[in-house]
Amino acid sequence: QVQLVQSGAEVKKPGASVKVSCKASGYPFNSYIITWVRQAPGQGLEWMGWINTYNGNTNYAQKFQGRVTMTTDTSTNTAYMELRSLRSDDTAVYFCARGTNHDILTGYVFDYWGQGTLVTVSS
Amino acid sequence: SSDLSQDPAVSVALGQTVRITCQGDSLRSFYANWYQQKPEQAPVVVIYGKNNRPSGIPDRFSGSRSGNTASLTITGAQAEDEGDYYCHSRDSSGNHLNWVFGGGTKLTVL
Repeated sequence: QVQLVQSGAEVKKPGASVKVSCKASGYPFNSYIITWVRQAPGQGLEWMGWINTYNGNTNYAQKFQGRVTMTTDTSTNTAYMELRSLRSDDTAVYFCARGTNHDILTGYVFDYWGQGTLVTVSS
Repeated sequence: SSDLSQDPAVSVALGQTVRITCQGDSLRSFYANWYQQKPEQAPVVVIYGKNNRPSGIPDRFSGSRSGNTASLTITGAQAEDEGDYYCHSRDSSGNHLNWVFGGGTKLTVL
């Protein structure tokens, strides 16, 4: 069965970086994009960007450009999201999700999600 | 503010019908996908595209679109439908590779 298993919770100081992993199994890794979504405590979902696991192309939300890098390791079917220059308002649960491409009007549907990784930024 | 606007909260009596809406300019050109999220859980897609339900989603969930508004309708709401609902589509930049979520609607089943 399709599974996305994320790395464990992290506590970071302001200004530091964090790298969250997302290990996929149960499907051909290179055939689906991976997207990253975060959720601050008590807040809604915020889309961060996606990576094409086939060719490594990325597209980041403007808010995160210059501060986020998404990569993959196809030898281990693992996706990574690194966020730099952390601030207290980066405290959130970070989710990875698999994106399945449908028609152009529908776009990508995020059909399987990881369990989430809590990143806490505190001095 | 989000490119997709949702009412923060909606309530419905058990067994009645409720509509959750999502407004945004991009919805004139693209469909919205809808996700349900329960506390401490990852989101689950309940409707995608024109009106498609993934396997395992009850047929009381349906979707529609008119103008700049997408709607998720639950016909005969059940207690287990309580949760937060998010619409998801392209943002208003004109770049179809950019995505955005609505602010979310908290559904209470009375």
